[in-house]
Amino acid sequence: NAGVTQTPKFQVLKTGQSMTLQCAQDMNHEYMSWYRQDPGMGLRLIHYSVGAGITDQGEVPNGYNVSRSTTEDFPLRLLSAAPSQTSVYFCASSYSGTAYEQYFGPGTRLTVT
Amino acid sequence: GENVEQHPSTLSVQEGDSAVIKCTYSDSASNYFPWYKQELGKRPQLIIDIRSNVGEKKDQRIAVTLNKTAKHFSLHITETQPEDSAVYFCAASIDNFNKFYFGSGTKLNVKP
Repeated sequence: NAGVTQTPKFQVLKTGQSMTLQCAQDMNHEYMSWYRQDPGMGLRLIHYSVGAGITDQGEVPNGYNVSRSTTEDFPLRLLSAAPSQTSVYFCASSYSGTAYEQYFGPGTRLTVT
Repeated sequence: GENVEQHPSTLSVQEGDSAVIKCTYSDSASNYFPWYKQELGKRPQLIIDIRSNVGEKKDQRIAVTLNKTAKHFSLHITETQPEDSAVYFCAASIDNFNKFYFGSGTKLNVKP
């Protein structure tokens, strides 16, 4: 199993550009989430999904969109990048039901200039 | 929503000493509390977790305690080793609900 994979590993964007961060998992997990990690602030939930076709907002959803058309994939779209979105982004997945361990992807380091 | 506070933000101990990291949470409905270790440049990895129907859980040198009444939980690492140096995060979640709220992290430095 590859586990949770994310692409790209690094990305530099200019203000106003859009892009999609990819996340995929091969563990047949129902739950998937996106977090951003900023220095001194831990991980903050952006959006999450409890299954294909179902998504919901987390703590910091503004400026991001998600969709979940398959169990395996959960892409995160930045609509119009801003310097405040400079961060490390982690995707995570877990089984549904009683809370299980979240498996994290390797992260994407995004810089917006 | 849930608010998780974590202290201290940095902790330096001598190899062989114990380390304790504390977290408090605000939502009494939270009932699942995982702890993650994140090494520099790596992804967070689960090291131990506890559910609200349990007061303490141990796994070798690592233990977690939970006080539901006071809404706080702690990570205890005994006989620390240099490879324990990392950032540790606590989190809180409600069972059957895929929303995890993380503390701000504790950078643990174990000096040889």
